[in-house]
Amino acid sequence: QLVLTQSPSASASLGASVKLTCTLSSGHSSYAIAWHQQQPEKGPRYLMKLNSDGSHSKGDGIPDRFSGSSSGAERYLTISSLQSEDEADYYCQTWGTGLVVFGGGTKLTVL
Amino acid sequence: QVQLVQSGAEVKKPGASVKVSCKASGYTFTSYGISWVRQAPGQGLEWMGWISAYNGNTNYAQKLQGRVTMTTDTSTSTAYMELRSLRSDDTAVYYCARTMIGYYYMDVWGKGTTVTVSS
Repeated sequence: QLVLTQSPSASASLGASVKLTCTLSSGHSSYAIAWHQQQPEKGPRYLMKLNSDGSHSKGDGIPDRFSGSSSGAERYLTISSLQSEDEADYYCQTWGTGLVVFGGGTKLTVL
Repeated sequence: QVQLVQSGAEVKKPGASVKVSCKASGYTFTSYGISWVRQAPGQGLEWMGWISAYNGNTNYAQKLQGRVTMTTDTSTSTAYMELRSLRSDDTAVYYCARTMIGYYYMDVWGKGTTVTVSS
C-alpha cells in the first residue's frame, strides 16, 4: 500500500536551516514526490517535484533557500536561512496507478 | 500568469448536491489535468480525484466513488466537481489544482471554495 509518512511537527530558529522528511512505504522507494507548502489560512502552494535520484524541479518563484534531496525511501525538503513566512504546514504527495496520496503534513514552527 | 479561479462559498443541507467550478487561464487547458483536493477543518489534504482536460478521463478516490463527478468544458477552460448526497463530514475547503498528465503532481493551486454542510 502506497503511504507517505511525515513527522507531525518540527521547529527551528529564525535564520537557521531545517530538514523535513517524507518516507515512502516499503516497495515504493523509487517513487517521485512533490512538496507543497500551506501557510496559515492560505491554500497550498507547489514547491517542487523531487525524484528518487535527488534531482528536483521547483515551481515558479520558489526561492533558492528551498531544496530537495533523496536517500532510499526518504525524501527531504531543506529550508535554509529560515524566515518567519516559512512557518507553515508542509505536505509531501506522490502518485500510483489511479491514485494520489498525501502525507499527513509537518507543521513547521519558526522560533 | 497561470491561475485557477474557483467559485464562491456554498452552504448546503445534508443530502443535497454541490457543484464547484474552477476556471483556468494563462496556459493551454487541454495540455493538463485538474485534480480536486479537499481539506476538512483542522485536517490534512485529501485527494478526491483527477480529470484529464485532454480527453475527459477520470480517476476518483475509492471512498468517493458513486458520489463525485468531475467534468470539464474546454470551450471555457473550466473544470467542475459535483459532490452528491452531502453529509456533515463533507464540510471542507475544496481546491482545484493543475496536474501534470502522466505524473499526477499539482503545480498550480486554486484559492479554494468553502463548502459547509449543515441542517
